[in-house]
Amino acid sequence: EVVMTQSPATLSVSPGERATLSCRASQNINYNLAWYQHKRGQAPRLLMSGVSARATGVPARFSGSGSGTEFTLTIDSLQSEDSAVYYCQQYDKWPPLTFGGGTKVEIK
Amino acid sequence: QVQLQESGPGLVKPSETLSLTCAVSGDSINNYYWSWIRQPPGKTLEWIGFVHHSGSTNYSPSLKSRVTISMDRSKNQFSLRLTSVTAADTAMYYCARVASSTLWYFALWGRGTLVTVSS
Repeated sequence: EVVMTQSPATLSVSPGERATLSCRASQNINYNLAWYQHKRGQAPRLLMSGVSARATGVPARFSGSGSGTEFTLTIDSLQSEDSAVYYCQQYDKWPPLTFGGGTKVEIK
Repeated sequence: QVQLQESGPGLVKPSETLSLTCAVSGDSINNYYWSWIRQPPGKTLEWIGFVHHSGSTNYSPSLKSRVTISMDRSKNQFSLRLTSVTAADTAMYYCARVASSTLWYFALWGRGTLVTVSS
């Protein structure tokens, strides 16, 4: 099973600043990584697939990078509505499909 | 606009069977693979399995012996059945649409339904 590890667990960022979220895979997953945004009480939302392809309607301030085992989600010019938990998910080696533990982004 | 809505009992007794349904509106379930995912309190997301209208299914190895995911094309919905539940099965259960038959991420999710296993 591919174990996905996200860091940090919580990130506190001021509005307008940059947030950098990390996701590490225990095995090479090539470019088969997705990111999701989950706000309390809402359906999780796909942000990114294939490491860096933004889903429909996702603002350009969200960007993804990485390959192999190390991946990053960057949120530039953080806004209040970006407060959420962010999860990475690998879909290269399965079953099972696996998710990271999540990074909670808080607005200072 | 495609929407997914989970429904089912919020409380299930230990050793009994958990049954949930996901109603899909705005699209035909014949067009995609459909999945169940859960999140126990304080833990991360856990993929349960998926179903396709062809009858194809795939389950997480850790749950495979207890899980059945099926589809009702006449009602445009799919269902989850989890047998012999314990407190460890207490979780928020989400249904989701898989992106495609070659890209196994989740393009659309429901809001989830909380299931508690308790006597």
